[in-house]
Parts: sequence; structure tokens; C-alpha cells
Amino acid sequence: EAGVVQSPRYKIIEKKQPVAFWCNPISGHNTLYWYLQNLGQGPELLIRYENEEAVDDSQLPKDRFSAERLKGVDSTLKIQPAELGDSAVYLCASSPGLAGEFTDTQYFGPGTRLTVL
Amino acid sequence: AQSVTQLGSHVSVSEGALVLLRCNYSSSVPPYLFWYVQYPNQGLQLLLKYTTGATLVKGINGFEAEFKKSETSFHLTKPSAHMSDAAEYFCAVSDTNTGNQFYFGTGTSLTVIP
Repeated sequence: EAGVVQSPRYKIIEKKQPVAFWCNPISGHNTLYWYLQNLGQGPELLIRYENEEAVDDSQLPKDRFSAERLKGVDSTLKIQPAELGDSAVYLCASSPGLAGEFTDTQYFGPGTRLTVL
Repeated sequence: AQSVTQLGSHVSVSEGALVLLRCNYSSSVPPYLFWYVQYPNQGLQLLLKYTTGATLVKGINGFEAEFKKSETSFHLTKPSAHMSDAAEYFCAVSDTNTGNQFYFGTGTSLTVIP
């Protein structure tokens, strides 16, 4: 069974440029998560989807970040414009059920390492 | 609000020695508790989780953790460290009392000395 796929694995851009990350969850998984992981820190939840609905985007900086999960399968996370402080690893995860109380195991992709110059 | 604290950002043990990684949480309601492991350049992988039932939870690769409500702790242990255990370990908690929030700790980097 294929795991969570993320692309690109690495991205280097200049500040003020746009950038997009793509995630394909495990087939059949209903819930999809995007996390931000700064160096030396634990992941921080940005947004959580149940099927195509964003059920928790309270930590997503909506002035520059956007996300979508069309048809409830793969998802994209966009930053426009990028700032120096956005340099981090962006992780995508999926879980089989509806997240509900977060009891489901989350399966993580390898992440996209973003460097903003 | 839920928070999770991992004591010790770096832990070193000799191969064959006991591994103990500490995790404490703060919540007025017992949360659900998780340990994830992250190998270099890889995504996180679940080691074990506690939701309900038995407070001693066994996971993969010989790890186990015990939920102690009185101590608000969920420490991760392994009797005998192996070189392949070297990785970053994250404790995580979910809090159903405040609208399904999910938090990771800051992580503990485990080094295994041959």
C-alpha cells in the first residue's frame, strides 16, 4: 500500500514569491491534515479536512496561506507571498476515519522542506 | 488549553540500556495520548497510543508507555536500546474537552551509543 505522497520534497524560493505544496493521502483515508514543523520543534496543525470540508483551520494564517482538497482526495497548500519566516517543513498526514476526537492513527508523508531566501 | 511537555530535548543511552523518554500533559480531562517517531528525512510514524482501557500500552519495536493520571504523564520506555532506535520522538495529546485540539510536544532526540 502506498503511503502519503508529498511533492516537491524540497523547494527554495525568494521572499514574496508564491509556492504550492501537493499531498496525495493514502487511498480511502477520509481525513487529511497539514502541519508546519519548524526546526527543533514538533509539528503544528495548520488545517484539517474531513473529506472535502475544512473542519479546523483556526491555525492557518489566512492572509497568506490557503488550502484546498477538491473531491476529498488530494490537497494543495499554498503560500502567497512567502516570507522568510515561512522556512520550515510542511507535513501532510491522513487518517482513515473521520477525525472526530483524534483517536485515529495519522499516517505522515515525508514532508516538503521550504527555504525562503 | 492543552499542552504537552517533553523533558529533555536530547537523551543519550548506551546500546542495550533502558530508554526512558518523558512526557507530561496538562488537562483537566484525561486526553488521548500518542507517541510518534521520526527518522531523518522521513515522516512521523505512530509508536503507540492510549485512548481508553489498559493504562500500559505496548507499541511497535518493543516500546511501551504507561498513562498515569495522578502524575499527568505518559512516559515512553524500552528495556534495551538498539542502534536503530536513534531518532526524534514526539509525544502528542488530543483534547476533546476544548473542541478537538491536537498538540505535539517539542520532541526528544534519542542517541544510542555503541
